[in-house]
Amino acid sequence: GAVVSQHPSRVICKSGTSVKIECRSLDFQATTMFWYRQFPKQSLMLMATSNEGSKATYEQGVEKDKFLINHASLTLSTLTVTSAHPEDSSFYICSARDPVLTVGSKTQYFGPGTRLLVL
Amino acid sequence: AQKITQTQPGMFVQEKEAVTLDCTYDTSDPSYGLFWYKQPSSGEMIFLIYQGSYDQQNATEGRYSLNFQKARKSANLVISASQLGDSAMYFCAMREGRNTGNQFYFGTGTSLTVIP
Repeated sequence: GAVVSQHPSRVICKSGTSVKIECRSLDFQATTMFWYRQFPKQSLMLMATSNEGSKATYEQGVEKDKFLINHASLTLSTLTVTSAHPEDSSFYICSARDPVLTVGSKTQYFGPGTRLLVL
Repeated sequence: AQKITQTQPGMFVQEKEAVTLDCTYDTSDPSYGLFWYKQPSSGEMIFLIYQGSYDQQNATEGRYSLNFQKARKSANLVISASQLGDSAMYFCAMREGRNTGNQFYFGTGTSLTVIP
């Protein structure tokens, strides 16, 4: 089946630094990728929808300048947390859509997630 | 209003027994898809089962079945013959519309613990 990878799986950084998280679709071309954030014992919260070659669409309340999303190719989207602070510590998950599949059930594939800890 | 509601924060089930995890949804779109995902402590989201709004039959995938009651807008997950490895968080999700690129709405999840 389709696979989505994320890198890194875990990252610890100092407050004020920027962190880049990569999301790759390994065996399909993903025209649309989604970025989620999940706090411990809570649900996934959609942060933004990333479309290849265009600007990301951010959900209400998500700071565009804080969470930079780039979807420069059909297999890679990146989320950069700029000037990270401890409150940005969270679990970040991406998902990718395979536009070729027409059956609705499995056309979004989730990455394994990235745990970010900002000290 | 919440798109997806999961009212059971935590559930316990004896090994080898069946368990039902509740999910209700809210949408005015006649076309939608309902999903269940399992999230173990590792964090990965594992797809379990899908039900389309126009599907006549309840979806089944191995030990998982979805009790789809359209009039009640409920899509409960039934896990039969529970195993210790089933202990995890379970999320119900919905995608509205025909566009498979539309976003997913997730419920708050149910933590399932299987007791030996």
